[in-house]
Amino acid sequence: ILNVEQSPQSLHVQEGDSTNFTCSFPSSNFYALHWYRWETAKSPEALFVMTLNGDEKKKGRISATLNTKEGYSYLYIKGSQPEDSATYLCASPGDYKLSFGAGTTVTVRA
Amino acid sequence: DAGVIQSPRHEVTEMGQEVTLRCKPISGHNSLFWYRQTMMRGLELLIYFNNNVPIDDSGMPEDRFSAKMPNASFSTLKIQPSEPRDSAVYFCASLLTRLEDSNQPQHFGDGTRLSIL
Repeated sequence: ILNVEQSPQSLHVQEGDSTNFTCSFPSSNFYALHWYRWETAKSPEALFVMTLNGDEKKKGRISATLNTKEGYSYLYIKGSQPEDSATYLCASPGDYKLSFGAGTTVTVRA
Repeated sequence: DAGVIQSPRHEVTEMGQEVTLRCKPISGHNSLFWYRQTMMRGLELLIYFNNNVPIDDSGMPEDRFSAKMPNASFSTLKIQPSEPRDSAVYFCASLLTRLEDSNQPQHFGDGTRLSIL
């Protein structure tokens, strides 16, 4: 099982402010990094799948970057809104498993 | 696209009873995953099927748990006998390709919230 770690575990952000958080993963034998958004009482929803070093993806106000050489990815939320409140999971496939991090729970305060 | 369909959405039963959770993957997807979510362990993979064949079942906690995929459109996760510590949310997810062809995201069902009394 790959050791995928996320930090911080949780964060609070004021509505309108921007924030970012980190996913770290083993850089050896890397082939993809997934980001999912998971709202309370719902199922995880795919945001991005990133495969190339230096890749940057964007979906609305949410974007992500990838550094496969050093083994980390950042997720950014620009101009946070209450509807961005969720747990954001990253995951990396390997050894026939998609190993998930524990998630970063984002709470946007109005 | 109907998405991944799980049933039931909620189940409450007494310990010792048999529990069967069901999943219908997205049509055309050839990989299926069962996950369990708990407060202590987060989201953990129980079993992964590709083309209806179990590829990795090392996450299945013990012999009381079993999973089958008799065809491409249906899978079950069975717990017999059930115990209170099995209480969790169980998610099913499907993937268009093999996990190793990893530029595709997994699609999750809405989960089954299981409570064993």
